[in-house]
Amino acid sequence: NAGVTQTPKFQVLKTGQSMTLQCAQDMNHEYMSWYRQDPGMGLRLIHYSVGAGITDQGEVPNGYNVSRSTTEDFPLRLLSAAPSQTSVYFCASSLTGAGYTFGSGTRLTVV
Amino acid sequence: GIQVEQSPPDLILQEGANSTLRCNFSDSVNNLQWFHQNPWGQLINLFYIPSGTKQNGRLSATTVATERYSLLYISSSQTTDSGVYFCAATPTGAGSYQLTFGKGTKLSVIP
Repeated sequence: NAGVTQTPKFQVLKTGQSMTLQCAQDMNHEYMSWYRQDPGMGLRLIHYSVGAGITDQGEVPNGYNVSRSTTEDFPLRLLSAAPSQTSVYFCASSLTGAGYTFGSGTRLTVV
Repeated sequence: GIQVEQSPPDLILQEGANSTLRCNFSDSVNNLQWFHQNPWGQLINLFYIPSGTKQNGRLSATTVATERYSLLYISSSQTTDSGVYFCAATPTGAGSYQLTFGKGTKLSVIP
């Protein structure tokens, strides 16, 4: 039981490049979500999903896409990276929407 | 959406001292969690506590849902308690899957 696994742990992108941050959980959790953490801002919700095939926007969705084709995976896509997307990204999952488990994070730098 | 406010923003303690961290929230909640983010950035789930009182070793938490606040109590603090403590909540009703974080309390425990 690995919990919530995020890859990669670190990434450097050039402005305009695209990439996908991977998130996988093996706990059969229906609820999954992506957060970004910036200094002094706490964690802010980007996108979330309440089950396979269902996604919705959170507080800061611009510049990010998500899809949920399986219960286990919830990738976050940056289509054209910008320096403002430099942040630490966390994926989380929950069985019922009450009590979330977080991954170890991906530290992204856009230059 | 729900507002989550934490106090104090910063706290410095001598090893062995006790402390109380506060979290106020603006709406009824169906999920209230306390997290510890260690110096390596890992988010550790401390308590899931939408109401009532729980204890885990030197840490305890109380949520008074009717008055919309939660307290995290740390007794006999140790240097390993250093880091940032986050409170996060999801409201009842619309948006009930969206976990909203406070900005955290940064705790420094000095020997």
